[in-house]
Amino acid sequence: DIVMTQSPDSLAVSLGERATINCKSSQSVLYSSNNKNYLAWYQQKPGQPPKLLIYWASTRESGVPDRFSGSGSGTDFTLTISSLQAEDVAIYYCQQYYYTTPTFGGGTKVEIK
Amino acid sequence: EVHLVESGGGSVQPGGSLRLSCSASGFTFSDHYMDWVRQAPGMGPEWVGRIRNKANSYTTDYAASVKGRFTMSRDDSSNSVYLQMNSLKTEDTAVYYCVKRMGTSYFDYWGQGTLVTVSS
Repeated sequence: DIVMTQSPDSLAVSLGERATINCKSSQSVLYSSNNKNYLAWYQQKPGQPPKLLIYWASTRESGVPDRFSGSGSGTDFTLTISSLQAEDVAIYYCQQYYYTTPTFGGGTKVEIK
Repeated sequence: EVHLVESGGGSVQPGGSLRLSCSASGFTFSDHYMDWVRQAPGMGPEWVGRIRNKANSYTTDYAASVKGRFTMSRDDSSNSVYLQMNSLKTEDTAVYYCVKRMGTSYFDYWGQGTLVTVSS
């Protein structure tokens, strides 16, 4: 199975500051035929299911604030929260859906400094 | 609005069985692949399995950790998907989520989950 490795495990950021989360896949998730990266990002708050934020590595889901952005290609990806808000405190997961077995990263916990 | 509602969770002894159900609404259920994803306490999500739509012969795939023990099925007439779990192990303890897949790609909607606890 493809291993998704996230870093850091946790980070504390001041309100209004930038938060950056990294995700690395053990194999490329870029499909050359359509030039799409099969990578999604999810946000999970306590007691709730994961919520889709980003798909195709950089496409924001409808209703997701534009302070959330995704970038990267191949094996290295980044989720950026440009100006952290109190409601962004959560655990963030990356996930690849390129291969038959979808796999998730271990998660990055974002807190307020 | 899409709604996915799981039921059937509970406590069971190792070696026992449970059947989870998921009732879907708000989209054309029969068109879509459906998945189950679980999350053990304090851990990240883990994919369990998927069932394809009628156009793809309702075929299934499973994670290696559950293959041979878990079986997915669906009933398009009632917009429901099921997860039959046999030979349960303590490591199967988790919240089980019913998840809608966008096409054959990412997971766009998740249910609230149902807790399965396997313990003696």
